[in-house]
Amino acid sequence: KAGVTQTPRYLIKTRGQQVTLSCSPISGHRSVSWYQQTPGQGLQFLFEYFSETQRNKGNFPGRFSGRQFSNSRSEMNVSTLELGDSALYLCASSLGLPGTGRETQYFGPGTRLLVL
Amino acid sequence: AQSVAQPEDQVNVAEGNPLTVKCTYSVSGNPYLFWYVQYPNRGLQFLLKYITGDNLVKGSYGFEAEFNKSQTSFHLKKPSALVSDSALYFCAVRDPILTGGGNKLTFGTGTQLKVEL
Repeated sequence: KAGVTQTPRYLIKTRGQQVTLSCSPISGHRSVSWYQQTPGQGLQFLFEYFSETQRNKGNFPGRFSGRQFSNSRSEMNVSTLELGDSALYLCASSLGLPGTGRETQYFGPGTRLLVL
Repeated sequence: AQSVAQPEDQVNVAEGNPLTVKCTYSVSGNPYLFWYVQYPNRGLQFLLKYITGDNLVKGSYGFEAEFNKSQTSFHLKKPSALVSDSALYFCAVRDPILTGGGNKLTFGTGTQLKVEL
């Protein structure tokens, strides 16, 4: 089975621009989560989607948004980019069995975003 | 709230020796605990998890972890380290009540493991 795929792998943007990152989960997985990884803040949860609905949201400003499509693919968008948004953005998928919280999340390779 | 502490930024061990990477957690209910490993320029790879049952959990690549409720710890161990085990290791916790059954993970700051010949 193919793993989680993320596109693009690398991205360079300038301040004020917006960016869209894409994530395709493992086939059959219905839950997708996004995390931001930076040297200063470590790994931080952004949001989780299940069946096209946001199930949990982290402590990030409204410039960060996401969505999930009917085929479980997900996108996240960051508007009005700031220098501090430079990070590795990781997508993770899991089966999405409702209500258990026991699932393992499998991570993609990430998208490295550099904001100049 | 849920939180994880990894008290060591770096652990050095000689190849063939046992290794331990420490993790302590804080949750209000019963925790679900995970270990992941990250190699340079890669995503996170799942190693093992504790949900319930036997306190000793065995995972991938010969790693195991012991859940200790009284000490709120979940240390990662391997009997004999390999140079190829050198990587960044993350402990993570999920409080199923806090997350409403969702999958949100709270990660520790990571421990760099260096295995030398």
